[in-house]
Amino acid sequence: DVKVTQSSRYLVKRTGEKVFLECVQDMDHENMFWYRQDPGLGLRLIYFSYDVKMKEKGDIPEGYSVSREKKERFSLILESASTNQTSMYLCASSPAINSPLHFGNGTRLTVT
Amino acid sequence: GENVEQHPSTLSVQEGDSAVIKCTYSDSASNYFPWYKQELGKRPQLIIDIRSNVGEKKDQRIAVTLNKTAKHFSLHITETQPEDSAVYFCAATLNTGNQFYFGTGTSLTVIP
Repeated sequence: DVKVTQSSRYLVKRTGEKVFLECVQDMDHENMFWYRQDPGLGLRLIYFSYDVKMKEKGDIPEGYSVSREKKERFSLILESASTNQTSMYLCASSPAINSPLHFGNGTRLTVT
Repeated sequence: GENVEQHPSTLSVQEGDSAVIKCTYSDSASNYFPWYKQELGKRPQLIIDIRSNVGEKKDQRIAVTLNKTAKHFSLHITETQPEDSAVYFCAATLNTGNQFYFGTGTSLTVIP
């Protein structure tokens, strides 16, 4: 069974802090994704990566960056956290194009 | 890009009744349509998916239908049970890339 692990379940940060959200998958999947989940807005794609050191912007990349130095790890970085980045963040992986996504448990980030 | 609309946003049914959730998409190039179930506090999990070369797929009490001409697809749950209570998300992907476009979710409540 695919395991996607997000390093923190809950996180509280202050405005202006640099925030790192980590995600690790154990199934050698090519593709990894970061989504943001807000009530009434569904899941919105922030960034995805289809290979090591490769990244593509999703629908809402502003204020975020990502890093994929190793195949199994995909990090989401908030350079300067703002209150409007308070949300649930979901990491996912998939083995190929048009294959099911496997999600992590999510990180609920609160920025005060 | 693709635009996926999902209805209804909330749905309550009596245990044993059927539930139907509908999604429409805008891009005729979309060719993969997964459905995810997210229980409270848990990760989204794939429950069923369908590809554009198939009109219907069934898995026990769950079925998905796809109408490519009308660009809509639906999730059907028969003989609903309280454990079916969750938020359900539809999604569509284009054959040109990895990006999943999600609907805004349907909160299903099955009343015992």
